[in-house]
Amino acid sequence: DAGVIQSPRHEVTEMGQEVTLRCKPISGHDYLFWYRQTMMRGLELLIYFNNNVPIDDSGMPEDRFSAKMPNASFSTLKIQPSEPRDSAVYFCASSRLLPETQYFGPGTRLLVL
Amino acid sequence: EDKVVQSPLSLVVHEGDTVTLNCSYEVTNFRSLLWYKQEKKAPTFLFMLTSSGIEKKSGRLSSILDKKELFSILNITATQTGDSAVYLCAVGSRDDKIIFGKGTRLHILP
Repeated sequence: DAGVIQSPRHEVTEMGQEVTLRCKPISGHDYLFWYRQTMMRGLELLIYFNNNVPIDDSGMPEDRFSAKMPNASFSTLKIQPSEPRDSAVYFCASSRLLPETQYFGPGTRLLVL
Repeated sequence: EDKVVQSPLSLVVHEGDTVTLNCSYEVTNFRSLLWYKQEKKAPTFLFMLTSSGIEKKSGRLSSILDKKELFSILNITATQTGDSAVYLCAVGSRDDKIIFGKGTRLHILP
């Protein structure tokens, strides 16, 4: 299995632009998680899905952030409009049966200028 | 509010030393405690602990959980430069939340 796939791996954009991050979970996994990691705040859970349904989005910072999972093999995290404070590494992770047994993707390093 | 606190925040030791990393938590509906290793990329899973007092071991790494005192330790013996990484502790709850600590940055000097 290829593992969790994320794209792009790096993104540099200007403040105010829309950013879309993509994730393909491991086939057969029924949980999908989006995390943000910064030096100051560490690894923060933004939202997670179970069987394509958003279960907990309490970690989503504000209305500028949205996430979708239209099918079992694809999810997006969108930031519109982006701000410099959104600069971080965004990880997607997936797991089967239990959230604890999650595998992380390589991350997308986002820089908003 | 649920929280996971790791200590120390950073640690520098010499190759061959033994280190102990600490993780304390306050999480309602505790289900499991997890340790991850993060080098320059994504976190990779090390251990999942659910029962008190049972040591989990993998090579030079071992971990144990104390559910009464609400903490866990991760031990690394005979450290090597390849052990340099950020070690993350996370707690899983019965409502499927995962809460991460901020990590301990470990640097092993040759």
